[in-house]
Parts: sequence; C-alpha cells; structure tokens
Amino acid sequence: DAKTTQPNSMESNEEEPVHLPCNHSTISGTDYIHWYRQLPSQGPEYVIHGLTSNVNNRMASLAIAEDRKSSTLILHRATLRDAAVYYCILSRAGGGNKLTFGTGTQLKVEL
Amino acid sequence: DGGITQSPKYLFRKEGQNVTLSCEQNLNHDAMYWYRQDPGQGLRLIYYSQIVNDFQKGDIAEGYSVSREKKESFPLTVTSAQKNPTAFYLCASSRKRPPYNEQFFGPGTRLTVL
Repeated sequence: DAKTTQPNSMESNEEEPVHLPCNHSTISGTDYIHWYRQLPSQGPEYVIHGLTSNVNNRMASLAIAEDRKSSTLILHRATLRDAAVYYCILSRAGGGNKLTFGTGTQLKVEL
Repeated sequence: DGGITQSPKYLFRKEGQNVTLSCEQNLNHDAMYWYRQDPGQGLRLIYYSQIVNDFQKGDIAEGYSVSREKKESFPLTVTSAQKNPTAFYLCASSRKRPPYNEQFFGPGTRLTVL
C-alpha cells in the first residue's frame, strides 16, 4: 500500500486558517486520499476525501497537487474543538475499503 | 439516532482469559471493521467483514477471532494467544457502495489485561 508522510505536530491560533500537509509520492492512479481526525479517547471521525480535484465540505477543504503526490487539508478557521490528531490515508478503489492509519499530525490550537 | 455502540467502555481481565468485545450498529451498513490502537500510535486493522457470514484478516489478526452472524453485530474475541492485548479497540462500519465508503467509528473499548 502507498504510504503517507505527515508532520508529527502543528500549532495554530484560534480563528486562523490551518494548512495540514501530507506527502504521498508513491500514490497510484486509483488511490483515494482521505482525512480522518481523532479527538482524545474517541474513535476517529471522517473529515473529507478526494481523488484528483479539490474538494470542499462543511468541515474543511482538501487541496490536491496536480501530480497527486501531495495534498493539504485546510481548516478555514481553527477552533479549540479542532485540536485533534489528523490522519491522511490512502486507499485503493476496490481494495475492500481498508484504511491504513499512520501516526498522523497532532494539531494544537491556542487562544 | 443511528450509530455504533461498543461495550463496555473499560474492560479489565486477568492474563490467560479470553474476552469478547461487543460492537453493534444500526446504520444498516454491510461492512464492519475492528482496529487496535496503542498509545501514541495510529490504528491497525485486525479483522473486517463486508457481508454477513464472511470476514477477512487484517494486518494483525493473530490472537483474535471474530464472527458475523448478523448484519448489525461484529463481536471480537481477544484470545489468550494474543501476547499484548492491552490496547484501545475500535469498531467501525461502512456502506458497501463503491468506490469509497466513509467509515463510522464507535467510541471504543479500552482493554487492560492484568
């Protein structure tokens, strides 16, 4: 399975935008890019996913590089409730919907 | 409200005992999954099932067993063969509509083996 690389941690101030990067240089043409986040002592929560085009939903935006070797999750206005571990995951279409979680990026949000 | 329930939230067992973790969903999802999470680590897939009466091993299936007799239920048994069973266990479910299906996670069960 293709691997993703994320920074271990990032910090942001409340009400400011946050850009969480993810590198996936070995991505294949049928791999989807997913983002989940996990608050302490809870199960992960789906954030967004995409294949080639940028995507927007009520939680965040996903910007995918033209060569698809990297992507960025954008939280437009961080709040204290956005403090979580964010996972960037690749999964192959038709691969049984299996997700392989790395260690993710711990986002800290300060007042 | 639809969702996934896992019980209990905390579970303590003595070493050498088998223990079964419950996972129930009322989302009418076909697929269900079990993950394990150790402190500071990401989730690792133990078993998954895409349809009733069928399941496949994930990346770390040794020492675990599952059954899928009903669509709503996917219990996980941690056997005495699992060398380091103390962990946070998460159950998830998803639709089976391709090409991709968002996974919904339960609140987890924290198992401690003494």
